[in-house]
Amino acid sequence: DAKTTQPPSMDCAEGRAANLPCNHSTISGNEYVYWYRQIHSQGPQYIIHGLKNNETNEMASLIITEDRKSSTLILPHATLRDTAVYYCIVRVWGGGADGLTFGKGTHLIIQP
Amino acid sequence: GAGVSQSPRYKVAKRGQDVALRCDPISGHVSLFWYQQALGQGPEFLTYFQNEAQLDKSGLPSDRFFAERPEGSVSTLKIQRTQQEDSAVYLCASSLPGTGTGEQYFGPGTRLTVT
Repeated sequence: DAKTTQPPSMDCAEGRAANLPCNHSTISGNEYVYWYRQIHSQGPQYIIHGLKNNETNEMASLIITEDRKSSTLILPHATLRDTAVYYCIVRVWGGGADGLTFGKGTHLIIQP
Repeated sequence: GAGVSQSPRYKVAKRGQDVALRCDPISGHVSLFWYQQALGQGPEFLTYFQNEAQLDKSGLPSDRFFAERPEGSVSTLKIQRTQQEDSAVYLCASSLPGTGTGEQYFGPGTRLTVT
């Protein structure tokens, strides 16, 4: 799986949009971008994934650049409960048949 | 429905003791994964089961680590002769391959402290 690069930490004010960047310059054509987050003392939680089109669900939006070398996870109206470590993972969509390769992620802190 | 559960949530072991960590996956999930998460790090893959078959154990750090899933449901991760470097959170995840988003559902983890 391709390697990803994320900033170690970010702050965001409550109620504002949180934009979390991820670089994946070596991504292959059949690899998807997945985002998970891990709230303190919990297991990681799936957020969203995409191949090349922008995606949106009830939790977040995912913007993937045209060359697919980077992406941005957007939490439109951040709340204190969104404070967590966010992991950007690139993987082939194997339907869950392979282990995930996590990096160190971005520690997002939502400020009241 | 019930998510992935793990027990115990916390385990303290003296160096040299054997420990067994249990994972109950989501009912019907074929795939089961174990991860190790050291303090301040992201989870690292240990091993993967498809039903009762252990298809990948490339991440197990030593032969002291052993995992099983004899009936294709509950899984146990066993660590023999624990060492201080084994102190970590052990996460279990399950998924249903070939469907939906391919996401893995994680349990809350077992925090192992070796003294």
